Amino acid sequence: DTEVTQTPKHLVMGMTNKKSLKCEQHMGHRAMYWYKQKAKKPPELMFVYSYEKLSINESVPSRFSPECPNSSLLNLHLHALQPEDSALYLCASSQIQGALSATNEKLFFGSGTQLSVL
Amino acid sequence: GQQLNQSPQSMFIQEGEDVSMNCTSSSIFNTWLWYKQDPGEGPVLLIALYKAGELTSNGRLTAQFGITRKDSFLNISASIPSDVGIYFCAGLRRSQGNLIFGKGTKLSVKP
Repeated sequence: DTEVTQTPKHLVMGMTNKKSLKCEQHMGHRAMYWYKQKAKKPPELMFVYSYEKLSINESVPSRFSPECPNSSLLNLHLHALQPEDSALYLCASSQIQGALSATNEKLFFGSGTQLSVL
Repeated sequence: GQQLNQSPQSMFIQEGEDVSMNCTSSSIFNTWLWYKQDPGEGPVLLIALYKAGELTSNGRLTAQFGITRKDSFLNISASIPSDVGIYFCAGLRRSQGNLIFGKGTKLSVKP
């Protein structure tokens, strides 16, 4: 099983709404990631959790708030977003983040949440 | 800054033709990953490479980790319509732990 599951698939929200994106993996991976992807561009890293602790925040605005309740789950809480935040939000996981040790490190992506902010 | 130069940016080919794309960098990478992405979906991992010179196949796909560790190539043989999509290379440096993505190659296949 190399599956990363994201919900919802599509989300439309207003600028005053609060919503959450959810991600789940059962591969025993200890690193989980949030990426943002605009159309025709590569994914851009937002956050990395390593062993349930936030290890990287790529200067993401505070209207995006990540949460890692346990090693299998990753959430992204959204509040007061702007229309320019509309994008495909991708969750990913890997065995270990980066790694001194990983000789077989792979990053697996979910199918994404297509977010539209009106 | 960290950059991967992926080329070509787009390709229009006839069904049955072979395809080649590559990524180059001025820096060394420990791992190269190749992904395919369909519209509205997440990238799907095609091939992972871990050693300089490594050549790995996955069906009609073959990828190589360059000897200098600064480049990687992906070849698709006998293309079919379902090969259509955007292909991304991604390089990983263990010291940094984050993937650097190329800008993607958009592949179009005419039946």
